[in-house]
Amino acid sequence: DSGVTQTPKHLITATGQRVTLRCSPRSGDLSVYWYQQSLDQGLQFLIQYYNGEERAKGNILERFSAQQFPDLHSELNLSSLELGDSALYFCASTPAGRVPGELFFGEGSRLTVL
Amino acid sequence: EDQVTQSPEALRLQEGESSSLNCSYTVSGLRGLFWYRQDPGKGPEFLFTLYSAGEEKEKERLKATLTKKESFLHITAPKPEDSATYLCAVQAPTALIFGKGTTLSVSS
Repeated sequence: DSGVTQTPKHLITATGQRVTLRCSPRSGDLSVYWYQQSLDQGLQFLIQYYNGEERAKGNILERFSAQQFPDLHSELNLSSLELGDSALYFCASTPAGRVPGELFFGEGSRLTVL
Repeated sequence: EDQVTQSPEALRLQEGESSSLNCSYTVSGLRGLFWYRQDPGKGPEFLFTLYSAGEEKEKERLKATLTKKESFLHITAPKPEDSATYLCAVQAPTALIFGKGTTLSVSS
C-alpha cells in the first residue's frame, strides 16, 4: 500500500460526459502528479501540483483540468469525454526533499468511455 | 526530444533463468534514471534511482546499471513472483518520461 488513495477505482460513462477523479496523497506529501496510462501510449504525464499551485504541465488536453485543495487532495476533471480518453489515470505523490522521480503511485482509476 | 525506449516488449523466462531488460534514453542532461515495477491492476512501484554512468543498485534478485545511453535491469535466478511489467523513466525538466515497459513472465 503506497498510501496514495484514488477514487473511484472504476468508472464507466458515455461520450460527451464529464467525470471527476479524486486523489488523496500520502500524509504530508505536498506534490501531486497526474498520469494517464493507455496501452498504446504508456504512462504520460499530465500535470503536477505543489501545495495548491500548478507546478508543471505535460500533454494535458484543454478538456481536462485539475486542482489541489488546501487539504492537499487533488481532483482531475475530464469533460466532453471521447472514446480515446478511456485509460487508467494515476495519481502520485512525493514528499518535500525526496528525489522528484521517486514517486508513490496510487492504484489508479480505470475510465471506460462508451 | 527526451525519449525512453525499452526492449524487449515482453520476455518469458523459466524460473532460475537469468536475463536483462534494456532501457535506452535520450535526454538533455540526465537528472536521474528510475526503474519501477508495475503489477497488473496496480500503480507503479519505485525500485531504483541511478544518476551517473557506472552506477549500480541492487535489490534482491534485481540489479540496475547505467551507461551514458542505456540502463539495464539484470534479473538473476528469477522466481514467478518477479513476473510484472518493469518501467524505466528519465527525469526531464518538468516531469518523468516513461518508457512503455517490458512485461516479464517467469514460469516455474
